[in-house]
Amino acid sequence: AQKITQTQPGMFVQEKEAVTLDCTYDTSDPSYGLFWYKQPSSGEMIFLIYQGSYDQQNATEGRYSLNFQKARKSANLVISASQLGDSAMYFCAMSSFYNQGGKLIFGQGTELSVKP
Amino acid sequence: DGGITQSPKYLFRKEGQNVTLSCEQNLNHDAMYWYRQDPGQGLRLIYYSQIVNDFQKGDIAEGYSVSREKKESFPLTVTSAQKNPTAFYLCASTTRGRGLGDIQYFGAGTRLSVL
Repeated sequence: AQKITQTQPGMFVQEKEAVTLDCTYDTSDPSYGLFWYKQPSSGEMIFLIYQGSYDQQNATEGRYSLNFQKARKSANLVISASQLGDSAMYFCAMSSFYNQGGKLIFGQGTELSVKP
Repeated sequence: DGGITQSPKYLFRKEGQNVTLSCEQNLNHDAMYWYRQDPGQGLRLIYYSQIVNDFQKGDIAEGYSVSREKKESFPLTVTSAQKNPTAFYLCASTTRGRGLGDIQYFGAGTRLSVL
């Protein structure tokens, strides 16, 4: 069975500092993808970053980077230079070659609060 | 602007009533999905469709039904058989739904409550 685990229910970070949100995953599939989404209080899920299991380099998108450690089965999100607008729920998700219809498996999320 | 539109934003259901949530996309995506989110939880898949006139059950399909008569539209009906329908419902779409890196884009969601 596939599973995503986010062990930090809530995190605080000072504005302009970097923060790491943890994500570990469990799968026996050889090919999979890892995603991070942001959910502000409005509710919409916003795609942030993607990492494929065979990608050699860690993915980066602006202030977001994904620290992918395949042997440890972790895919942590790093947000650099935090901004007040980064306060939101963050979800880690996984796709798999064997997942029905390309569905995503989601973790339970981490609530990030950025302090001024 | 391309995107996914969900309506209504808030919906109330009476006992024994069926209600339908709308999801429309103009991204020309083949695959569409319905997820349910309960407070403090991640998303769980209800139904998905990868092509017009075809759809498949997800992990929690009981008490729900869908149709896919047009590529742009994927409405979800919450039937009276769904005994605990109070949740936040999110619709998503992606280009094909067959590749590992197919990014799913989401609508703004519908919050359903029981009266």
